[in-house]
Amino acid sequence: AQRVTQPEKLLSVFKGAPVELKCNYSYSGSPELFWYVQYSRQRLQLLLRHISRESIKGFTADLNKGETSFHLKKPFAQEEDSAMYYCASRGSARQLTFGSGTQLTVLP
Amino acid sequence: DAGVIQSPRHEVTEMGQEVTLRCKPISGHNSLFWYRQTMMRGLELLIYFNNNVPIDDSGMPEDRFSAKMPNASFSTLKIQPSEPRDSAVYFCASSPGGGGTGELFFGEGSRLTVL
Repeated sequence: AQRVTQPEKLLSVFKGAPVELKCNYSYSGSPELFWYVQYSRQRLQLLLRHISRESIKGFTADLNKGETSFHLKKPFAQEEDSAMYYCASRGSARQLTFGSGTQLTVLP
Repeated sequence: DAGVIQSPRHEVTEMGQEVTLRCKPISGHNSLFWYRQTMMRGLELLIYFNNNVPIDDSGMPEDRFSAKMPNASFSTLKIQPSEPRDSAVYFCASSPGGGGTGELFFGEGSRLTVL
């Protein structure tokens, strides 16, 4: 069975500081990895997917198969980045398995 | 498109009562998912449908939970009888299906409180 682990439930950083949200997955095949974000009073929405190799709102995430990780990074955090972030994986079963989420707070 | 529509947005009920949550997916989407969100466990997949057929219900906690999708535009999640530990936010999501990009489109959620 797939498992996605986000070890930090809460993470606080100061504005302008780098931020890294950790995600580890367990899947024997080649999973697809995603980051979803839920801003206050908004719907949960896709932030980025590993297959696109894109940078969204300054965030990037690199799939490291050796470490089975897909950490989300941003060099300079902004207050508007404060939100709940979920890492998710999709295997052959095609449905998404989410981690338990990390609440990011960017302090002024 | 208004996106995925869920009702009710908030429900407060007493232990033992029946609860029915409703979902209207985005028109044209073939897959529908029910998730439960709690502080302790985050987002848990309860059940998902493809073309109105339940594909995986292994996440449904117990027999008190049931879900139906009578047609492509409507799904229900029912809890009978409800218990305080069922208190959570229940999300419905849909996707175009057939694999696709893996992007799910979520509703605003139904916050359930069981007293």
